[in-house]
Order: sequence, then structure tokens, then C-alpha cells
Amino acid sequence: GEDVEQSLFLSVREGDSSVINCTYTDSSSTYLYWYKQEPGAGLQLLTYIFSNMDMKQDQRLTVLLNKKDKHLSLRIADTQTGDSAIYFCAEKSQASGGSYIPTFGRGTSLIVHP
Amino acid sequence: KAGVTQTPRYLIKTRGQQVTLSCSPISGHRSVSWYQQTPGQGLQFLFEYFSETQRNKGNFPGRFSGRQFSNSRSEMNVSTLELGDSALYLCASSLAGAVEQYFGPGTRLTVT
Repeated sequence: GEDVEQSLFLSVREGDSSVINCTYTDSSSTYLYWYKQEPGAGLQLLTYIFSNMDMKQDQRLTVLLNKKDKHLSLRIADTQTGDSAIYFCAEKSQASGGSYIPTFGRGTSLIVHP
Repeated sequence: KAGVTQTPRYLIKTRGQQVTLSCSPISGHRSVSWYQQTPGQGLQFLFEYFSETQRNKGNFPGRFSGRQFSNSRSEMNVSTLELGDSALYLCASSLAGAVEQYFGPGTRLTVT
């Protein structure tokens, strides 16, 4: 089946930039997403990018997509302790019925220390 | 606008029992999806309902089933529970055809 890979951990100092990377295998991926999950909570959609784009910026978040290498990254500028969470990369590709089935990575635990 | 709500938040069941989890989507959202999250397998798609019809199904055994009501509320049922069914079950809703999906806080199921 299709696969989404992420590194498991990232540790950064408060105020630095964080870059979380993700690779995927499905060349028919239409949408790529970044979600944030805090302890005891569900997933919060941070941002998404359509597969025909290569960059999207939203306040402190920048998403870069290299479709040729099937590589997606999330950059968080000026990382704060409140950004400590698990970040999930996900892709959606079209199912035979016309709707979309998502595949998630295992998540990257971001630890921000003062 | 209220977010996605899931009940109950926590549940403890015994092997062999069955369980029903409930999800109320955001008002106006007609698509509801269910996911299982475990440390071993990560986040896996269970099924998606739209207008009371199952539109997609993930790779789970028939013990996992669901339904959606006319008010878009959804339930999922797991019969003959196994220890491996212990997980966080997440529900997400979206508008028809929308890219964004909004998740509830999940139901933590523990099977003993």
C-alpha cells in the first residue's frame, strides 16, 4: 500500500525554526496535510497544500512540496514551547468511488526547550 | 460553532464484549470519517460515511462496522473485542467535497 514516512523526533530551542520532513510514495496524491496533536486531544488541521503547488505560507508556518522527490516539509518559524506536540503528515489520493482516502505518517514529536 | 464531539471519552471493556462509539459532526457537515490510532500502527482509516452511506472502508475486519443517521451523527461498533482493539478512536467531519477535515477529541477504548 501507499506509505508516508516521517522522522520520529525533533528537538529545538525556543525561538529557533523547526523543520519537520515527510516523504510519501503515492504519485497520485492530490492533497497533502499537516496536523498537530497535543496530549489527550484529537488532530488539529494546521495547513494543507494542493499537489500542483510547491509552497504555501500561513503566518509562522511554511509548507514546501517537492513533487518530483515526493517530499513535504513543514517549517515553523520562531518555535515556541506551545508548539511542542506530535505533527502528522498525511496525503489523500482519490479512491475508486471518487472520494479520498487519507494515509498518515507515524508522527514527529516536536520538543521545544527553553 | 461547536466542534466535533465524541462520546464517551473513555471506555473500558472486556475481551469478547462489543462497544458502540458515537460521533456528532460539526453542524452542516455531512461527511464523517473514523480512524483508529495506536502506538504500534499509528493512525489508520476505518471508514467514511456521507449522507447515511458508507463511501469508503479501510482494511479492518468485519467486526468493525459503522452507520450514519439522517442528522449526520455517526456510530461505530466493534464486536467481539480483542486486546488489540485498545486504541484512541477518532472521528472527523467535513463539508461535502471539502479539503479540510475536523477531528474530535477521540474515545479512548481499553480492552482488558
